[in-house]
Amino acid sequence: GENVEQHPSTLSVQEGDSAVIKCTYSDSASNYFPWYKQELGKRPQLIIDIRSNVGEKKDQRIAVTLNKTAKHFSLHITETQPEDSAVYFCAGSRNTGKLIFGQGTTLQVKP
Amino acid sequence: SAVISQKPSRDICQRGTSLTIQCQVDSQVTMMFWYRQQPGQSLTLIATANQGSEATYESGFVIDKFPISRPNLTFSTLTVSNMSPEDSSIYLCSVEGASRTGETQYFGPGTRLLVL
Repeated sequence: GENVEQHPSTLSVQEGDSAVIKCTYSDSASNYFPWYKQELGKRPQLIIDIRSNVGEKKDQRIAVTLNKTAKHFSLHITETQPEDSAVYFCAGSRNTGKLIFGQGTTLQVKP
Repeated sequence: SAVISQKPSRDICQRGTSLTIQCQVDSQVTMMFWYRQQPGQSLTLIATANQGSEATYESGFVIDKFPISRPNLTFSTLTVSNMSPEDSSIYLCSVEGASRTGETQYFGPGTRLLVL
């Protein structure tokens, strides 16, 4: 069935360094890939998304790349700050309906 | 984005009982979804709440255990029936709404459920 794999499960970086989280998906018909940030006790918040008609998207310190041939997409956070510490989830779907989530990555940014 | 509220925000329930969770949106939305997030885990889609018809359930979830209502385009309920400790989770509703680049999904604040 449809599946999204996410790596790594935990990631620790020094403040100012970059962080990269990778996801692969199995459903070749997936065409929408959002990334959510979830702080402890809070709801998942959309931070960036990409659709299958583009290969890269950037929003300030956050970027997402998509390789449709290899069926994988990645989140890149540059100049990390302590407030970037959270759990990050990737997801895939056909259009924006049923979202299949990855397992999550706990990012710790050390001051 | 739409403003989404859920009630209750948290509850502690006894096994064998049922709890109904409400999700209210401040604008009409076509698509509403219910997700479960077990402790320390990712989000899993329970069902799509369809207005005017029966909900569409994902594999592993059944209507008898998780009945869903969607009486209009701004409101939905999820009932967790005959609860057991394994049902202890966060239950989140989400809606499809507009973003700068198209449609996306926004989540409600969640309902934290503990079953004793």
